[in-house]
Amino acid sequence: AQTVTQSQPEMSVQEAETVTLSCTYDTSESDYYLFWYKQPPSRQMILVIRQEAYKQQNATENRFSVNFQKAAKSFSLKISDSQLGDAAMYFCAYRSARSNRDDKIIFGKGTRLHILP
Amino acid sequence: DGGITQSPKYLFRKEGQNVTLSCEQNLNHDAMYWYRQDPGQGLRLIYYSQIVNDFQKGDIAEGYSVSREKKESFPLTVTSAQKNPTAFYLCASSHPKGRVVLGQPQHFGDGTRLSIL
Repeated sequence: AQTVTQSQPEMSVQEAETVTLSCTYDTSESDYYLFWYKQPPSRQMILVIRQEAYKQQNATENRFSVNFQKAAKSFSLKISDSQLGDAAMYFCAYRSARSNRDDKIIFGKGTRLHILP
Repeated sequence: DGGITQSPKYLFRKEGQNVTLSCEQNLNHDAMYWYRQDPGQGLRLIYYSQIVNDFQKGDIAEGYSVSREKKESFPLTVTSAQKNPTAFYLCASSHPKGRVVLGQPQHFGDGTRLSIL
């Protein structure tokens, strides 16, 4: 069974600095998708970025980028120029690309990010 | 605008009572999911459904029941057998694997907070 591990329950970063959130996963599959979701205090789940495993190029969305290391099964999120609005819980998630009945997205336990003014 | 609507936003349950959380989507998604989130924790999958009239248990299905009579609707009943129902409940939907765009992330509702009276 696939698992997703976020080893940092909480992190803090100074405003305008860069921070990297870690995520590792375990799977025997070769084709899958990885996601980072943000959950601010409003509790809404917001998709931040996604990565397709068959693409070697790391995904980027404005100040958010990932470092995808397929062999190491690592999928870290880098936030550049941190802003107060980035304060939230961040979840890493995995989804198999295999088409079968057991369609689940597996979430890590999350990392709470604090932005220090 | 397309989206997912969860209601009510806040719900209180008395001892021995069953309560039902509503989830409706107009995104034309086939797959729908229910998650439970405890304070400071990640998302745990309760039930999911990939097509109408079919659903599967997630990791913590005991004490919960669902139905999927319509594509747009996936209500969750928290039964009296669920001894610790106090949590935040999130509903989500997505295209299932093998359809349209694999890797389409989940869309989430705004959640329902359930408490015991």
